[in-house]
Amino acid sequence: IAGITQAPTSQILAAGRRMTLRCTQDMRHNAMYWYRQDLGLGLRLIHYSNTAGTTGKGEVPDGYSVSRANTDDFPLTLASAVPSQTSVYFCASSVAHSGANVLTFGAGSRLTVL
Amino acid sequence: GQNIDQPTEMTATEGAIVQINCTYQTSGFNGLFWYQQHAGEAPTFLSYNVLDGLEEKGRFSSFLSRSKGYSYLLLKELQMKDSASYLCAVTDNDYKLSFGAGTTVTVRA
Repeated sequence: IAGITQAPTSQILAAGRRMTLRCTQDMRHNAMYWYRQDLGLGLRLIHYSNTAGTTGKGEVPDGYSVSRANTDDFPLTLASAVPSQTSVYFCASSVAHSGANVLTFGAGSRLTVL
Repeated sequence: GQNIDQPTEMTATEGAIVQINCTYQTSGFNGLFWYQQHAGEAPTFLSYNVLDGLEEKGRFSSFLSRSKGYSYLLLKELQMKDSASYLCAVTDNDYKLSFGAGTTVTVRA
């Protein structure tokens, strides 16, 4: 089934540990995005990639890094996790980074940092 | 920065109509989206408006007024399965999509 796969589904992590959230899409979409969703704040953009080999910062990039080595994969890394990074993380993709870009979302990764 | 406002919660009866308002102030405008998100699930696309006016899609309609920075999502003939959060989102000049905090709609029998 075409779509976006995120892993892990859920993770509990000790503060200070490094963590990579994986995201893979099989729709050959050019653009990919990482959002975090917190109660009362909605979805906030962390990082995005217009196409393979390029990345850009969103609204809340600090403490996170991404890479886009190929079209399908867009991992999000927390170099040293802190409790404020406890959130639900959604990966999304769209055909192109444009005004009419309809996003397809993955199922989300729930991360708890203690 | 982006400022997208929508009510936090709304409650309506099965079969009724509910209108969810969204106002926005953003750095540029390249379109407004509505997404639906059921509890514990991913958001899914509902509608897209880039020109002023009403877009109708079955029981759901979305309206946009660019001069007023205003949109609404109209849900007609409400069903229990429509209980969800509805997210208003705007694409800015850099084509980045910013979301409002969402409106939780509860449909009661």
